[in-house]
Amino acid sequence: ETGVTQSPTHLIKTRGQQVTLRCSSQSGHNTVSWYQQALGQGPQFIFQYYREEENGRGNFPPRFSGLQFPNYSSELNVNALELDDSALYLCASSVTGGSGNTIYFGEGSWLTVV
Amino acid sequence: DAKTTQPPSMDCAEGRAANLPCNHSTISGNEYVYWYRQIHSQGPQYIIHGLKNNETNEMASLIITEDRKSSTLILPHATLRDTAVYYCIVRVDMDTDKLIFGTGTRLQVFP
Repeated sequence: ETGVTQSPTHLIKTRGQQVTLRCSSQSGHNTVSWYQQALGQGPQFIFQYYREEENGRGNFPPRFSGLQFPNYSSELNVNALELDDSALYLCASSVTGGSGNTIYFGEGSWLTVV
Repeated sequence: DAKTTQPPSMDCAEGRAANLPCNHSTISGNEYVYWYRQIHSQGPQYIIHGLKNNETNEMASLIITEDRKSSTLILPHATLRDTAVYYCIVRVDMDTDKLIFGTGTRLQVFP
């Protein structure tokens, strides 16, 4: 167990709706990042939060947004859902300390958009 | 794009050592090599990472060549539960936790 917990584990939404996914980072970890993994592909970096601010973003549109709370937990919000948003959404956490830090992933939230 | 090249699949007999190769010929001097694995429908599991020196932990050993252009992950005694997709990643972004996953190696451990 990595200590990174995500909820919900599975959910189904309709195209055009909005979704919020939640993540609790491992104890002591102050950095949270989110990844999207489509079926049959490797995870892709969405963005990272540190000190409650986004400080790095991958190639995802603005309808993907997030929050980080004072206890370092985080939310991923996706607006105007599209069918291609169907994927496994992964949260990862770490202690910021340079490029050699260890990054731990949660088990993910499976999102199906119909 | 990922800076690594891995074979798409490998087989290993249970109880034998599994040696998973990875090429990263364009790696820079301060870029770490990370290994993760992913069992179907689960999140990526951290295995090990290193910069220059060989590394060992309770899960595996990481052997990095002297020129750093390739590495090998060694699972000393493979079990059926080691069947997974193994990702070798060169971490290029020093300012974020961004990892660029390639296609990985699908390791099948057979009895």
